[in-house]
Amino acid sequence: GESVGLHLPTLSVQEGDNSIINCAYSNSASDYFIWYKQESGKGPQFIIDIRSNMDKRQGQRVTVLLNKTVKHLSLQIAATQPGDSAVYFCAEIGLNTGTASKLTFGTGTRLQVTL
Amino acid sequence: DAGVIQSPRHEVTEMGQEVTLRCKPISGHNSLFWYRQTMMRGLELLIYFNNNVPIDDSGMPEDRFSAKMPNASFSTLKIQPSEPRDSAVYFCASSTQGLAYEQYFGPGTRLTVT
Repeated sequence: GESVGLHLPTLSVQEGDNSIINCAYSNSASDYFIWYKQESGKGPQFIIDIRSNMDKRQGQRVTVLLNKTVKHLSLQIAATQPGDSAVYFCAEIGLNTGTASKLTFGTGTRLQVTL
Repeated sequence: DAGVIQSPRHEVTEMGQEVTLRCKPISGHNSLFWYRQTMMRGLELLIYFNNNVPIDDSGMPEDRFSAKMPNASFSTLKIQPSEPRDSAVYFCASSTQGLAYEQYFGPGTRLTVT
């Protein structure tokens, strides 16, 4: 798939260092906030989600932080590896009982891992 | 599990031609989403289905675009007539209804309209 290209903010990180990718969201009524990863030539891939009533959630090598006061979401990747190179999208969703609801994606941040 | 399957992977067509994109969601998923991705607009939701029923098509650009889901294992997105500005990568994604935030995307169809 086409990763959104030339005008994406880019974060360059050395292999082994920690990465922090930031996102500002707009809808304070969203129920979940999510991070997706898109590698070149592929579709987005779910990484981790956080419910709106939480402020931190940890996964394998990743941590998501949610600051509702300033509407800010961040993704921390520990010990960044070359395979982490991709475009990362934050997304938000409001869930309605009994129906599927829409994900709203941010514009994305390109993570480049240097050796 | 084969994941979400899309076909074709690449499509090149001339302006004015009809284009049909196909999607097979993950078995057991009852929500299906069509997205379009371009450098200018990023990832946009076009339409989504819940239990084969279209729920929200507000993202469909215009009447030239139509989508169907005749059964739980198949959906199509049709563009007729196609225009050069429709060139993009089109993704299909599926999820379970209760986990609409955890969507599984297909590999996409890269459409080029000349």
